[in-house]
Amino acid sequence: EVQLVESGGGLVQPGGSLRLSCAASGFTFSTYSMNWVRQAPGKGLEWISYISSSSRIIYYTDSVKGRFTISRDNVKKSLYLQMNSLRAEDTALYYCAGDLGYSSSWFDPWGQGTLVTVSS
Amino acid sequence: QSVLTQPPSVSGAPGQRVTISCTGSSSNIGAGYDVHWYQQLPGTAPKLLIYGNDNRPSGVPDRFSGSKSGTSASLAITGLQAEDEAFYYCQSYDNSLTGPYVVFGGGTKLTVL
Repeated sequence: EVQLVESGGGLVQPGGSLRLSCAASGFTFSTYSMNWVRQAPGKGLEWISYISSSSRIIYYTDSVKGRFTISRDNVKKSLYLQMNSLRAEDTALYYCAGDLGYSSSWFDPWGQGTLVTVSS
Repeated sequence: QSVLTQPPSVSGAPGQRVTISCTGSSSNIGAGYDVHWYQQLPGTAPKLLIYGNDNRPSGVPDRFSGSKSGTSASLAITGLQAEDEAFYYCQSYDNSLTGPYVVFGGGTKLTVL
């Protein structure tokens, strides 16, 4: 069964840090590009970061540049998101999602999400 | 404010046909990027519904169809069923100085009356 399972979410104070993980199984993780997508409470989907299959290409949305770092370990079949200097507006459900790395790729599969709450 | 514009809500009675629009611009859909659609049922993760403008993944009923023209795309659902009640999101790419980046529509809540 194709599966992505996120972990690492929780409650953190503003200015704090958190590291999210996403464990893959049931597909060839090393051939997929990976993404983090978040969804604030009651809001829509927001793409935040991309990493190519080899980790050579990385992108971030402007609002997290310089604060978040995406990485992956193809041996461990895992994706990570190191989040520093967290703000209240980073509160959201964070999903990892795979894509095939084409120039106009779609996201499939998706994880079930891990909740990050930034509050004092 | 999303780069891709969707109506906040649509509704229809069981058995009816509804469409959800996704309007972009010359820097995203109009630039030739494909449009993909996702269905998000209450309390669940998004699920791929249509990829590459008009293709259905295995397991998605043929009641769902997608199209793209110019700077817009549409999702059509025929034979509406109660279980179709969900949020629907379009997704594409937009040109930037550092390369294409992913954009989503704001989402459309489908209510089955």
